[in-house]
This record gives sequence, C-alpha cells and structure tokens, in this order.
Amino acid sequence: NAGVTQTPKFQVLKTGQSMTLQCAQDMNHNSMYWYRQDPGMGLRLIYYSASEGTTDKGEVPNGYNVSRLNKREFSLRLESAAPSQTSVYFCASSEQGQGSDQPQHFGDGTRLSIL
Amino acid sequence: DAKTTQPPSMDCAEGRAANLPCNHSTISGNEYVYWYRQIHSQGPQYIIHGLKNNETNEMASLIITEDRKSSTLILPHATLRDTAVYYCIVRVLNTGTASKLTFGTGTRLQVTL
Repeated sequence: NAGVTQTPKFQVLKTGQSMTLQCAQDMNHNSMYWYRQDPGMGLRLIYYSASEGTTDKGEVPNGYNVSRLNKREFSLRLESAAPSQTSVYFCASSEQGQGSDQPQHFGDGTRLSIL
Repeated sequence: DAKTTQPPSMDCAEGRAANLPCNHSTISGNEYVYWYRQIHSQGPQYIIHGLKNNETNEMASLIITEDRKSSTLILPHATLRDTAVYYCIVRVLNTGTASKLTFGTGTRLQVTL
C-alpha cells in the first residue's frame, strides 16, 4: 500500500517548455488535489477533483490544467512553464466523509525548477 | 473558512510535552479544527481533528476551548522526529464533496536534546 505516489520527484525545465506531473493513489479515494508550496509559505490549492469526472479550480489555477484520468490518477499540466511556477508540488487524496470529514493524504512532492 | 493565528516558532525539550496553540476566534459552529504537520521536504501529514470535544489518538491530543475560539495540540512526549511545521486549519464540514484545505504559515516546532 503505497498511498499517494508522485512522479517525477525532481524536474528542471526551461521557460516555455511543457510538462505533466503525475499522481496516483491506491486508497480508493474519491477526491484528489494539487497544491503548490513556495519557500517559507504554506500550501496553496491549484485544482481539485471531488470525484472521477469532475475538476474545479482552487486558489491559484492560472497557468495550469488538470486531468482526472480515472479514480486513481490525477495529473497536473504546465503548458508553457514560467519561472514563477518554480515550486514544490504536492498531490493529495481523501475520501468523501459521511457525517465526519476525512483527512487528506499527501504524496512526497515534485520539486520543479524553471529556468 | 475561518482564519487561524499561530506563533511562528516554538522550542521544546525532548521528552517534554509540546503544547502548540492556535487562535480561531471567528470559527463558525460547523467548522472543524484540523492539525497537520510537515517534516522537512515531505508532504503534510494529518495528525488529528475535532469539532468541539477534546480528541486523542496515537499521535496527539487536541484540546478545544468551550467557546471554540482557540485550541491546543499536545504532543505528550516530544522526540527529535517531531521537529516540523505544524499547521492549524479550520474548515466547514462538506459531506459528499472534496475537503479543501487552506494552509497558513504554521508553527515551526524545534525539539532539542
């Protein structure tokens, strides 16, 4: 049981290049999330998917697209990378609670540098 | 979701209890208090959550004041491995939908020998 797996762990891009960050969870969770974390800051929500087939914008969606490929996988795409998107990206998943909220489980992150 | 206020940093001696405070004076009746922590370079880890009753699990205890305007996370016997940034988050219960979280800057807990 691996939990939430993110690939790659590290990546360096040039400005204007595109890239897809991959995330997969094996906990049969309905909801999945993408966050970014800049140095010295808390996490900020980019996009989330409440259930398979749905996606919604979070706090900082500009410059990103997402795809909920199936219940297990939720990918984040940078179409034209910019230096401002240099960050650590975390994927998370959670079950949808019934009467009590469910915690999120996080991956170990992808460290992305854009030159 | 209600805003939270936490001290930026705290120190604790190994083996002692670490008491991490959080103020959430604008919390609503249907908002839960969550605690997560982030050990350096890792993804955040869920610790505990509660609505109004005190809660305890294998990691920590959560004490919520009667008026729910503040809470304290207690690590009963802190170890060096508990050195991390601790985030207090309050949010509305959304059954059947995604549980979005809003992270602040948290409290950096340093456990020392």
